[in-house]
Amino acid sequence: QSALTQPPSASGSPGQSVAISCTGTSSDVGGYDYVSWYQQHPGKAPKLMIYDVSKRPSGVPDRFSGSKSGNTASLTVSGLQAEDGADYYCGSYAGSNNVVFGGGTKLTVL
Amino acid sequence: EVQLVESGGGLVQPGGSLRLSCAASGFTFSSYWMDWVRQAPGKGLEWVANIKQDGSEKYFVDSVKGRFTISRDNAKNSLYLQMNSLRVEDTAVYYCARDRGAHTYDYWGQGTLVTVSS
Repeated sequence: QSALTQPPSASGSPGQSVAISCTGTSSDVGGYDYVSWYQQHPGKAPKLMIYDVSKRPSGVPDRFSGSKSGNTASLTVSGLQAEDGADYYCGSYAGSNNVVFGGGTKLTVL
Repeated sequence: EVQLVESGGGLVQPGGSLRLSCAASGFTFSSYWMDWVRQAPGKGLEWVANIKQDGSEKYFVDSVKGRFTISRDNAKNSLYLQMNSLRVEDTAVYYCARDRGAHTYDYWGQGTLVTVSS
Protein backbone atom coordinates (compact mmCIF):
# COMPACT_ATOMS: atom_id res chain seq x y z
CA GLN A 1 0.00 0.00 0.00
CA SER A 2 1.07 3.60 -0.62
CA ALA A 3 1.40 6.01 2.24
CA LEU A 4 -1.51 8.30 3.03
CA THR A 5 -1.05 11.87 1.82
CA GLN A 6 -0.67 14.65 4.37
CA PRO A 7 0.48 18.24 3.84
CA PRO A 8 4.07 18.57 5.03
CA SER A 9 3.30 21.63 7.13
CA ALA A 10 0.49 23.62 8.71
CA SER A 11 0.44 26.64 10.96
CA GLY A 12 -1.79 28.89 12.99
CA SER A 13 -1.67 31.53 15.67
CA PRO A 14 -2.59 30.86 19.29
CA GLY A 15 -6.34 30.62 19.69
CA GLN A 16 -6.96 29.87 16.02
CA SER A 17 -8.13 26.60 14.49
CA VAL A 18 -6.17 24.52 12.02
CA ALA A 19 -7.16 21.43 10.05
CA ILE A 20 -4.78 18.76 8.78
CA SER A 21 -5.93 16.48 5.97
CA CYS A 22 -5.09 12.85 5.33
CA THR A 23 -5.99 11.44 1.91
CA GLY A 24 -6.05 7.77 1.08
CA THR A 25 -8.13 5.46 -1.08
CA SER A 26 -11.23 3.33 -0.84
CA SER A 27 -8.96 0.49 0.31
CA ASP A 28 -7.95 2.28 3.48
CA VAL A 29 -9.38 5.62 4.69
CA GLY A 30 -12.54 5.33 2.63
CA GLY A 31 -13.12 1.68 3.36
CA TYR A 32 -12.93 1.56 7.13
CA ASP A 33 -13.83 3.76 10.08
CA TYR A 34 -10.44 3.03 11.63
CA VAL A 35 -8.52 6.24 11.12
CA SER A 36 -6.25 7.34 13.94
CA TRP A 37 -4.12 10.42 14.58
CA TYR A 38 -0.87 10.60 16.51
CA GLN A 39 1.01 13.57 17.93
CA GLN A 40 4.79 13.38 18.17
CA HIS A 41 7.06 15.92 19.80
CA PRO A 42 10.77 15.88 18.86
CA GLY A 43 12.59 12.94 20.37
CA LYS A 44 9.42 11.52 21.89
CA ALA A 45 7.16 8.58 21.12
CA PRO A 46 3.93 9.12 19.22
CA LYS A 47 0.79 9.73 21.30
CA LEU A 48 -2.68 8.66 20.24
CA MET A 49 -4.94 11.71 19.87
CA ILE A 50 -7.91 10.40 17.83
CA TYR A 51 -9.06 6.88 16.99
CA ASP A 52 -11.93 5.37 15.01
CA VAL A 53 -12.08 8.61 12.97
CA SER A 54 -13.46 10.86 15.69
CA LYS A 55 -13.06 9.35 19.16
CA ARG A 56 -10.77 10.91 21.74
CA PRO A 57 -8.85 8.83 24.28
CA SER A 58 -9.21 9.81 27.90
CA GLY A 59 -7.02 12.79 28.71
CA VAL A 60 -6.88 14.26 25.21
CA PRO A 61 -8.30 17.80 25.20
CA ASP A 62 -11.59 18.30 23.37
CA ARG A 63 -9.81 20.92 21.27
CA PHE A 64 -8.76 17.96 19.13
CA SER A 65 -11.40 16.51 16.82
CA GLY A 66 -11.47 14.17 13.85
CA SER A 67 -13.72 13.61 10.87
CA LYS A 68 -13.84 11.79 7.56
CA SER A 69 -15.44 12.34 4.19
CA GLY A 70 -14.92 9.78 1.49
CA ASN A 71 -11.23 8.96 1.20
CA THR A 72 -10.05 11.98 3.20
CA ALA A 73 -9.82 12.25 6.97
CA SER A 74 -9.12 15.43 8.89
CA LEU A 75 -7.76 16.39 12.27
CA THR A 76 -8.85 19.79 13.57
CA VAL A 77 -7.12 21.52 16.43
CA SER A 78 -9.20 24.37 17.85
CA GLY A 79 -7.96 27.08 20.20
CA LEU A 80 -4.33 26.43 19.27
CA GLN A 81 -1.88 26.41 22.14
CA ALA A 82 1.91 26.56 22.03
CA GLU A 83 2.22 22.95 23.17
CA ASP A 84 0.21 21.77 20.16
CA GLY A 85 3.23 22.42 17.95
CA ALA A 86 4.41 18.95 16.92
CA ASP A 87 4.37 16.43 14.11
CA TYR A 88 1.04 14.76 13.42
CA TYR A 89 0.61 11.41 11.68
CA CYS A 90 -2.57 9.79 10.46
CA GLY A 91 -2.95 6.04 10.21
CA SER A 92 -5.63 3.87 8.67
CA TYR A 93 -6.47 0.21 8.77
CA ALA A 94 -6.10 -1.14 5.25
CA GLY A 95 -7.56 -4.63 5.56
CA SER A 96 -5.82 -8.02 5.81
CA ASN A 97 -3.96 -7.02 8.95
CA ASN A 98 -2.36 -4.05 7.25
CA VAL A 99 -2.00 -0.44 8.36
CA VAL A 100 -0.83 2.54 6.37
CA PHE A 101 0.45 5.81 7.77
CA GLY A 102 0.68 9.30 6.39
CA GLY A 103 4.00 11.03 5.86
CA GLY A 104 3.37 13.45 8.72
CA THR A 105 2.49 17.12 9.08
CA LYS A 106 4.59 19.57 11.06
CA LEU A 107 2.24 21.92 12.92
CA THR A 108 3.74 25.26 13.85
CA VAL A 109 2.07 27.57 16.34
CA LEU A 110 3.09 31.05 15.27
CA GLU B 1 -0.04 2.92 34.66
CA VAL B 2 0.68 1.28 31.32
CA GLN B 3 4.39 1.12 30.54
CA LEU B 4 6.29 -0.29 27.59
CA VAL B 5 10.07 -0.29 27.79
CA GLU B 6 12.19 -1.34 24.82
CA SER B 7 15.80 -2.46 24.93
CA GLY B 8 18.36 -4.13 22.72
CA GLY B 9 19.06 -1.52 20.09
CA GLY B 10 22.53 -0.53 18.98
CA LEU B 11 25.01 -0.35 16.15
CA VAL B 12 25.34 -3.41 13.94
CA GLN B 13 27.02 -4.10 10.63
CA PRO B 14 25.02 -4.97 7.53
CA GLY B 15 24.16 -8.65 7.59
CA GLY B 16 24.23 -8.74 11.37
CA SER B 17 21.57 -9.56 13.93
CA LEU B 18 19.90 -7.92 16.90
CA ARG B 19 17.16 -8.93 19.29
CA LEU B 20 14.87 -6.24 20.63
CA SER B 21 12.86 -6.69 23.80
CA CYS B 22 9.85 -4.85 25.16
CA ALA B 23 8.87 -5.17 28.81
CA ALA B 24 5.21 -4.43 29.46
CA SER B 25 3.52 -3.52 32.72
CA GLY B 26 0.34 -1.94 34.02
CA PHE B 27 -2.09 -3.97 31.93
CA THR B 28 -3.03 -7.56 31.10
CA PHE B 29 -0.38 -8.19 28.44
CA SER B 30 -1.88 -11.48 27.31
CA SER B 31 -5.11 -9.75 26.27
CA TYR B 32 -3.64 -7.60 23.49
CA TRP B 33 -2.14 -7.90 20.06
CA MET B 34 1.29 -6.29 20.22
CA ASP B 35 3.12 -4.56 17.41
CA TRP B 36 6.50 -3.18 16.42
CA VAL B 37 6.48 0.12 14.53
CA ARG B 38 9.64 1.82 13.28
CA GLN B 39 10.64 5.30 12.27
CA ALA B 40 13.72 5.96 10.14
CA PRO B 41 15.62 9.15 11.00
CA GLY B 42 13.59 12.17 9.91
CA LYS B 43 10.93 9.96 8.34
CA GLY B 44 7.41 8.79 9.09
CA LEU B 45 6.02 5.75 10.85
CA GLU B 46 6.13 2.26 9.38
CA TRP B 47 4.44 -0.81 10.80
CA VAL B 48 6.88 -3.74 11.04
CA ALA B 49 5.16 -6.73 12.61
CA ASN B 50 2.50 -7.85 15.04
CA ILE B 51 1.56 -10.90 17.06
CA LYS B 52 -1.74 -12.19 18.39
CA GLN B 53 -2.47 -12.51 22.08
CA ASP B 54 -1.48 -16.19 22.27
CA GLY B 55 1.27 -15.98 19.67
CA SER B 56 -0.63 -18.13 17.19
CA GLU B 57 -0.71 -15.48 14.44
CA LYS B 58 2.15 -13.29 13.30
CA TYR B 59 2.33 -10.80 10.45
CA PHE B 60 5.15 -8.81 8.89
CA VAL B 61 5.63 -5.98 6.43
CA ASP B 62 6.93 -7.36 3.13
CA SER B 63 10.35 -5.72 3.50
CA VAL B 64 11.24 -7.77 6.59
CA LYS B 65 9.59 -11.11 5.78
CA GLY B 66 12.06 -13.95 6.13
CA ARG B 67 14.52 -11.79 8.08
CA PHE B 68 12.60 -10.72 11.20
CA THR B 69 10.67 -12.85 13.65
CA ILE B 70 8.32 -11.71 16.39
CA SER B 71 7.56 -13.56 19.59
CA ARG B 72 6.14 -13.00 23.04
CA ASP B 73 6.32 -14.51 26.50
CA ASN B 74 3.07 -13.80 28.31
CA ALA B 75 4.45 -15.21 31.56
CA LYS B 76 7.16 -12.55 31.45
CA ASN B 77 4.97 -9.80 29.93
CA SER B 78 7.52 -9.40 27.19
CA LEU B 79 7.58 -8.89 23.45
CA TYR B 80 10.54 -9.60 21.21
CA LEU B 81 11.76 -8.83 17.71
CA GLN B 82 14.59 -10.94 16.32
CA MET B 83 16.19 -9.12 13.42
CA ASN B 84 18.56 -11.04 11.12
CA SER B 85 20.30 -10.12 7.88
CA LEU B 86 20.02 -6.48 8.78
CA ARG B 87 20.25 -3.89 6.03
CA VAL B 88 21.19 -0.21 6.08
CA GLU B 89 17.55 0.61 5.34
CA ASP B 90 16.49 -1.06 8.61
CA THR B 91 18.09 1.83 10.50
CA ALA B 92 15.33 3.35 12.62
CA VAL B 93 13.91 3.86 16.06
CA TYR B 94 11.86 0.78 16.83
CA TYR B 95 8.77 1.23 18.98
CA CYS B 96 6.82 -1.40 20.82
CA ALA B 97 3.10 -0.51 20.77
CA ARG B 98 -0.08 -1.88 22.25
CA ASP B 99 -2.72 -2.53 19.60
CA ARG B 100 -6.24 -1.71 20.82
CA GLY B 101 -7.66 -3.12 17.61
CA ALA B 102 -7.48 -2.42 13.87
CA HIS B 103 -3.85 -1.33 14.20
CA THR B 104 -4.70 1.56 16.52
CA TYR B 105 -1.89 2.09 19.01
CA ASP B 106 -2.94 3.50 22.35
CA TYR B 107 0.37 3.08 24.17
CA TRP B 108 3.92 3.29 22.86
CA GLY B 109 7.32 2.63 24.36
CA GLN B 110 10.07 5.23 24.29
CA GLY B 111 11.75 3.48 21.37
CA THR B 112 15.16 1.90 20.83
CA LEU B 113 17.52 3.00 18.07
CA VAL B 114 18.88 0.44 15.65
CA THR B 115 21.71 1.65 13.43
CA VAL B 116 22.90 -0.58 10.61
CA SER B 117 26.20 0.69 9.25
CA SER B 118 29.65 -0.50 8.35
